[in-house]
Amino acid sequence: QVTLKESGPALVKPTQTLTLTCTFSGMSLKTTGMRVGWIRQPPGKALEWLARIDWDDEKFYNTSLKTRLTLSKDTSKNQVVLTMTNMDPVDTATYFCARIGGSGWFSYIETCGQGTLVTVSS
Amino acid sequence: QSVLTQPPSVSGAPGQTITISCTGSGSNIGAGYDVHWYQQLPGTAPKLIIYGNINRPSGVPDRFSGSKSGTSASLAISGLQAEDEADYYCQSHDSSLGASLVFGGGTRLTVL
Repeated sequence: QVTLKESGPALVKPTQTLTLTCTFSGMSLKTTGMRVGWIRQPPGKALEWLARIDWDDEKFYNTSLKTRLTLSKDTSKNQVVLTMTNMDPVDTATYFCARIGGSGWFSYIETCGQGTLVTVSS
Repeated sequence: QSVLTQPPSVSGAPGQTITISCTGSGSNIGAGYDVHWYQQLPGTAPKLIIYGNINRPSGVPDRFSGSKSGTSASLAISGLQAEDEADYYCQSHDSSLGASLVFGGGTRLTVL
């Protein structure tokens, strides 16, 4: 059974850098084809895709947020870390990490963590 | 503004059938990319209910079905139950946005 769990600060100040960690079990990023992604959801709004990291360390970012996002993985700890710089109140959202299913242009969110709410406020 | 367009809300009585539309364009659904659907109950994470246009993951009731035609897709829920009350999102890819997943704006289903 695959499980994912997000962790990180609940509150960050504007201009600060957010660091979120996704810790997962039941799967490994050493396995060919495995992919982990991040999505977010502002309160009362729609889902937004942020980024994805693959088993071969290839990374893909939302084109609108690309300059602010960085992904890394630690396969020994079964963790993926997302950093987002220059946080703004509009970045207030619940952040989810997810196992990505399918392949290539036919990918989807196979399963999500419970999400972590991040509020950006001074 | 979302790349994929969904109605903000739909409603139906228990036992009825409802459909939720997801309208895209020639650079996403119309380009042949699959459409996937998620159910999000209040305060929870989105859950995959349809993938690859028509396929149901294990454990999803066959009351849920998906279809796709041209630049649009639909999710149908038959035999509506109170527990189906949730937000529903469609998702695909768009050739102008690289490897990004693109989502619809979501549809709130109310069971009357």
